[in-house]
Amino acid sequence: KQEVTQIPAALSVPEGENLVLNCSFTDSAIYNLQWFRQDPGKGLTSLLLIQSSQREQTSGRLNASLDKSSGRSTLYIAASQPGDSATYLCAVSPRGNEKLTFGTGTRLTIIP
Amino acid sequence: KAGVTQTPRYLIKTRGQQVTLSCSPISGHRSVSWYQQTPGQGLQFLFEYFSETQRNKGNFPGRFSGRQFSNSRSEMNVSTLELGDSALYLCASSLARVNSPLHFGNGTRLTVT
Repeated sequence: KQEVTQIPAALSVPEGENLVLNCSFTDSAIYNLQWFRQDPGKGLTSLLLIQSSQREQTSGRLNASLDKSSGRSTLYIAASQPGDSATYLCAVSPRGNEKLTFGTGTRLTIIP
Repeated sequence: KAGVTQTPRYLIKTRGQQVTLSCSPISGHRSVSWYQQTPGQGLQFLFEYFSETQRNKGNFPGRFSGRQFSNSRSEMNVSTLELGDSALYLCASSLARVNSPLHFGNGTRLTVT
C-alpha cells in the first residue's frame, strides 16, 4: 500500500527566503507526482506535475524535483512571499490521474 | 472558463439521514474524481468516473456511492450518515489524458450531528 509522507508538518519562514518542502513515498511504481496548494476553506490548486520519466519541473518561482528510485520529491520556492502561505500537498498516482494518494501536507507560513 | 463547481457549499445533516452532493466539471473534462478530506485521515480517494462509468473506487463502505451523467456532471450519495462522515468532500475533474492535471472545486463541507 502506497504511503506518502511530508515533513515538516508546519514551517514558518521570513519573507524573501528560499525554502524547500519534502515529500517521500514508499512505492516507486508511480506514474506521476503532483504538488498542490490549499488555502483555508478552499479546494486544491495544481502547482506542478512531474511525470515519472522526468527529473524536475519549473513554474515561475517554483521548482519541483523527483527521484523516483529513492521515493523522494522536493518543492523549492524561491523568494517567498506572504501570498505563498498555504498548505502544500504532494500526491502520487499509479496511473495517470487515477486514484491519487496524498501526503498529509506541510502548512507554510511566510512572515512579512 | 468556469472552474469546477460543487453544490452545496455547506450541509448539516443528522445521523441516519442520507445526502447527495453535486459536482459540475470544467467544460470538456470527462473524468471526475471524489475525495474526502478530514483532519485525522487527510485526503482519501473515494471514486473516479469517466464517460458515466466508475473506473476506480477507494476503500470506503457501500454507503458511499456516486454516478456520472452524460454531460459529465457527477453526484455522490452517502446513505445512513454517521458522525465520522463529517468532512470536506472535494470533487476534481481532468481531461483524462495522461498527465493532465487535476482541477479541484472548493468542496462541500458536510457536518453530521
